[in-house]
Amino acid sequence: GAGVSQSPSNKVTEKGKDVELRCDPISGHTALYWYRQSLGQGLEFLIYFQGNSAPDKSGLPSDRFSAERTGGSVSTLTIQRTQQEDSAVYLCASSVSRVRSETQYFGPGTRLLVL
Amino acid sequence: GIQVEQSPPDLILQEGANSTLRCNFSDSVNNLQWFHQNPWGQLINLFYIPSGTKQNGRLSATTVATERYSLLYISSSQTTDSGVYFCAAGSGNTGKLIFGQGTTLQVKP
Repeated sequence: GAGVSQSPSNKVTEKGKDVELRCDPISGHTALYWYRQSLGQGLEFLIYFQGNSAPDKSGLPSDRFSAERTGGSVSTLTIQRTQQEDSAVYLCASSVSRVRSETQYFGPGTRLLVL
Repeated sequence: GIQVEQSPPDLILQEGANSTLRCNFSDSVNNLQWFHQNPWGQLINLFYIPSGTKQNGRLSATTVATERYSLLYISSSQTTDSGVYFCAAGSGNTGKLIFGQGTTLQVKP
């Protein structure tokens, strides 16, 4: 079946603009995660969804970052008033559920460049 | 929170050689995964292994949870094995993974 998909693949934006990144998890997966990968910080957890609720938002770096998930499927990560330090690869992952710890499957990522 | 350390940071091998990558974690875990990041940036699952031993072809992994480490073995390495290998660990109830800094492997023909 299809894996995790993300769009856009690449995004170039100007400092101060808002961006929206989209994630489509594997069909039937109830748990969804956002991570980001940057040269200076490595791979960092951002937020976890179980269904449409987000019980763990501990990794969101500032209040400019928000995420939502609708219908227990698609998720959108929004960055408001982008800054150059937001430049990174944003990765989405999904797993079957969080009843117990399970394998997370990653999408190809969105490469964000803030000029 | 959990800290994850990987060693070595860089590794250069001749094709056909064997290697062992190590991952140490600072606390008990309920999730431990190994990934290979290919040149296009895709993270590919290798193993989900919070404890025990698994094998998949030329790759195998062992996690000794009581001693807080995991090992990834690559046998008869091929040039296509090149890339970055990440270990990621999690605990608690959210499935949040903490990643190590990775081991960059280069396999020369």
